[in-house]
Amino acid sequence: GAVVSQHPSWVICKSGTSVKIECRSLDFQATTMFWYRQFPKQSLMLMATSNEGSKATYEQGVEKDKFLINHASLTLSTLTVTSAHPEDSSFYICSASSGEVTDTQYFGPGTRLTVL
Amino acid sequence: SQKIEQNSEALNIQEGKTATLTCNYTNYSPAYLQWYRQDPGRGPVFLLLIRENEKEKRKERLKVTFDTTLKQSLFHITASQPADSATYLCALEFGSSYKLIFGSGTRLLVRP
Repeated sequence: GAVVSQHPSWVICKSGTSVKIECRSLDFQATTMFWYRQFPKQSLMLMATSNEGSKATYEQGVEKDKFLINHASLTLSTLTVTSAHPEDSSFYICSASSGEVTDTQYFGPGTRLTVL
Repeated sequence: SQKIEQNSEALNIQEGKTATLTCNYTNYSPAYLQWYRQDPGRGPVFLLLIRENEKEKRKERLKVTFDTTLKQSLFHITASQPADSATYLCALEFGSSYKLIFGSGTRLLVRP
């Protein structure tokens, strides 16, 4: 149980385009989802926290207009990188917590974004 | 600000030995601490959670200790196997919203 999927697993796009990444909890309802970014050989950096049906809470230094997060249902959250630039190239990982055991996060497999 | 330190140097051990990884933190008193495993190009996989009022927790070949006085957690893998080779991350809960702050991870290499 507690499986989280991400789609796509990797994406290459041109600078200036927008990219949407989906995060789904497959066998549980995720009241809270988190989005992280990880640069090579670095740790996961939390970008934002989203609760179903409400606006996401962004960490300091993360541009909310550039990284649009939508948590429209208890099983789906999306991250849209708008007007992507090469410096946005990174490994984006989502995680989800259920309402029953909110102190355990289940992570997706990650999405590798490369902006040319 | 909160700081989490894990040994950035890779830990290289012989199969069958016990691997011990360290996680130190400063300027914070977390309610719990978690350990994750991450393979290259993959998301982290949850291993163990230990709460501030717990000294030790075990799961199969894994053991975690949590010393809130020293602000340190130790992660042990006994009877290590080459399949245990991965990067191990510690993470601390931050605030009341279940946000996690991750250390940079320690890479473990178990030689056959």
